[in-house]
Amino acid sequence: NAGVTQTPKFQVLKTGQSMTLQCAQDMNHEYMSWYRQDPGMGLRLIHYSVGAGITDQGEVPNGYNVSRSTTEDFPLRLLSAAPSQTSVYFCASSSPTEAYEQYFGPGTRLTVT
Amino acid sequence: AQSVTQLGSHVSVSEGALVLLRCNYSSSVPPYLFWYVQYPNQGLQLLLKYTSAATLVKGINGFEAEFKKSETSFHLTKPSAHMSDAAEYFCAVSEYGNNRLAFGKGNQVVVIP
Repeated sequence: NAGVTQTPKFQVLKTGQSMTLQCAQDMNHEYMSWYRQDPGMGLRLIHYSVGAGITDQGEVPNGYNVSRSTTEDFPLRLLSAAPSQTSVYFCASSSPTEAYEQYFGPGTRLTVT
Repeated sequence: AQSVTQLGSHVSVSEGALVLLRCNYSSSVPPYLFWYVQYPNQGLQLLLKYTSAATLVKGINGFEAEFKKSETSFHLTKPSAHMSDAAEYFCAVSEYGNNRLAFGKGNQVVVIP
């Protein structure tokens, strides 16, 4: 099993550009989440999904969109990048059968100039 | 909504000394509690989790944590620090039946030879 994979590993964007961060998992987990990590802030939940076709907002959803068309994939879209979105982004998956233990991907380091 | 408090963003410990990282949580229902470790430029790895079974939980790399409901705490300990324990540690809480994970702001552990 590859677990949770994320692409790209690094990305630099200019203000106003859009892009999609990819996330995939091969553990057949129902739940998937996106977090951003900023120094001194811990991890904050952006959006999450409890199954294909079902998504909801987390703590910091503004400026981001998600969709979940399959169990495996959960892409995160930045609509119009801003310098405040410079961060490290982590995708995670989990299952209620494992007490919602979250399995994390390796992260995407995004810089917006 | 659930929340976590971790005090002391940076923790220095001598090699061979006790490692103690404090975590206090807030939750309106019985919680699931987690400790994750993050090594530089990597994703998060689960150290241990509490899911309402035994209150003393043993994890990987010699770490353990004790759930104390009366104190709403889940402190992480390791009897003897090793240089390889230098990393950032995050406490997290989710409520029973809820996929949403709330993280503390993390403790950066430095091990002094």
